[in-house]
Amino acid sequence: DVKVTQSSRYLVKRTGEKVFLECVQDMDHENMFWYRQDPGLGLRLIYFSYDVKMKEKGDIPEGYSVSREKKERFSLILESASTNQTSMYLCASRVSMTNVLTFGAGSRLTVL
Amino acid sequence: DAKTTQPTSMDCAEGRAANLPCNHSTISGNEYVYWYRQIHSQGPQYIIHGLKNNETNEMASLIITEDRKSSTLILPHATLRDTAVYYCIVRVAVRGGSEKLVFGKGTKLTVNP
Repeated sequence: DVKVTQSSRYLVKRTGEKVFLECVQDMDHENMFWYRQDPGLGLRLIYFSYDVKMKEKGDIPEGYSVSREKKERFSLILESASTNQTSMYLCASRVSMTNVLTFGAGSRLTVL
Repeated sequence: DAKTTQPTSMDCAEGRAANLPCNHSTISGNEYVYWYRQIHSQGPQYIIHGLKNNETNEMASLIITEDRKSSTLILPHATLRDTAVYYCIVRVAVRGGSEKLVFGKGTKLTVNP
C-alpha cells in the first residue's frame, strides 16, 4: 500500500559530494513537495512542483535544486553537500486543488 | 494564513479519548482546518479536515466551534500507536497548484499504558 516512495531511508555522504534524493508516487498526483525537518524547527519547505517540468522555490531553497521530468518522480539534488544539510528529508504529493498531502517515510541524510 | 496555537505536549491514557485543542482566532471565512500527525521517524499523515461542520472519519473526529476560532481533534479510543506529534493547520482551499501547507510545531501526544 506504499504510495510515496523515497529511494533511500538512510544516507551518509561527505562534504562536497553531489547527492540525489529520489521520490516516486504512484497516485498520479500533479503536485509534489520536498521538505526538510530539523529538531525545534519543524517542517520547512524546500521546493515544490505543481506539474511536470514546473518548480517553485519554497522557504529554504538555497543549496538545493530539483528535477521533475516525469509526473511520478520528483528529485532533490544537493549540488555540493554541506554539514548543515544533515537532516530528515520528506517528500510529499497531492492531487491539485486539495490540501491533502501524502508523505513518504523520509530520508535521513548525514553529511560528514 | 491564520496562525494556530497548540499545546506543546499532552498525555492520555490508553483506551481513553484524546482531545487535542487548537486555537485559530484569526481564521477567515474561507479557511479550512487540517489535522496531520507524525509518528516518530515517519512522514506526516493526513487525518481530517473541515470548514464549519464537525467531521468524522475512521481515524478521528473534528469539532469546530461555532465562531470557528478554535477546534478539537478527538481520537475516541487512543492506543499506544497514536503516540505522535499532531499538527493543526489552517489554510484556504487550494485554488491553483502552487499553494503549500505550512507545518508548525504541533502537539506531542503521549498515550500511556
